Amino acid sequence: GAGVSQSPRYKVAKRGQDVALRCDPISGHVSLFWYQQALGQGPEFLTYFQNEAQLDKSGLPSDRFFAERPEGSVSTLKIQRTQQEDSAVYLCASSLGQGMNTEAFFGQGTRLTVV
Amino acid sequence: GENVEQHPSTLSVQEGDSAVIKCTYSDSASNYFPWYKQELGKRPQLIIDIRSNVGEKKDQRIAVTLNKTAKHFSLHITETQPEDSAVYFCAPMNSGYSTLTFGKGTMLLVSP
Repeated sequence: GAGVSQSPRYKVAKRGQDVALRCDPISGHVSLFWYQQALGQGPEFLTYFQNEAQLDKSGLPSDRFFAERPEGSVSTLKIQRTQQEDSAVYLCASSLGQGMNTEAFFGQGTRLTVV
Repeated sequence: GENVEQHPSTLSVQEGDSAVIKCTYSDSASNYFPWYKQELGKRPQLIIDIRSNVGEKKDQRIAVTLNKTAKHFSLHITETQPEDSAVYFCAPMNSGYSTLTFGKGTMLLVSP
């Protein structure tokens, strides 16, 4: 594809509901990242995949957050029992090489609002 | 982990003026220094980056300067235009790690 694609663009969830956010990285990109961006803040790291291996999940804020990339391409970020503090834009990025030493390309993000 | 601070948090300039945004970091082993631009409601996009073996890099109206001793690097935009209005993030990185740590951002407003 032309770039990193995320879906849905917008998601409204009732508190306690589970949500799944999808990321389609640029074809052939080895590395995939999830970031959380609260309103008026910079993106904060959640988790990193190299191919299908989740190498770093130190940024996931609680065990309600889970991410996977089973075939080394598409990734899903799942949030269980959503809370109001989960409201944010969730950004996915991919890069050709290992980590972000090569340019990282971001998707448009999914804006999650928990009501 | 990396502690990143950006100054100023907001910057208003007139069209044609220059703008400078400074980023300080804590990890002395950081060796990659990118700047990202994020327009309202859009994705962050890399606009310029520098590696630690270089002190300055320029690309048309934008430049980045690095002072490794003092652990800061700056974004310089000359001849600003209204379309430069956006939030700018620095994201210094230690290549021993894999991910960028973003600053809180600087909102640049260029008035016509």
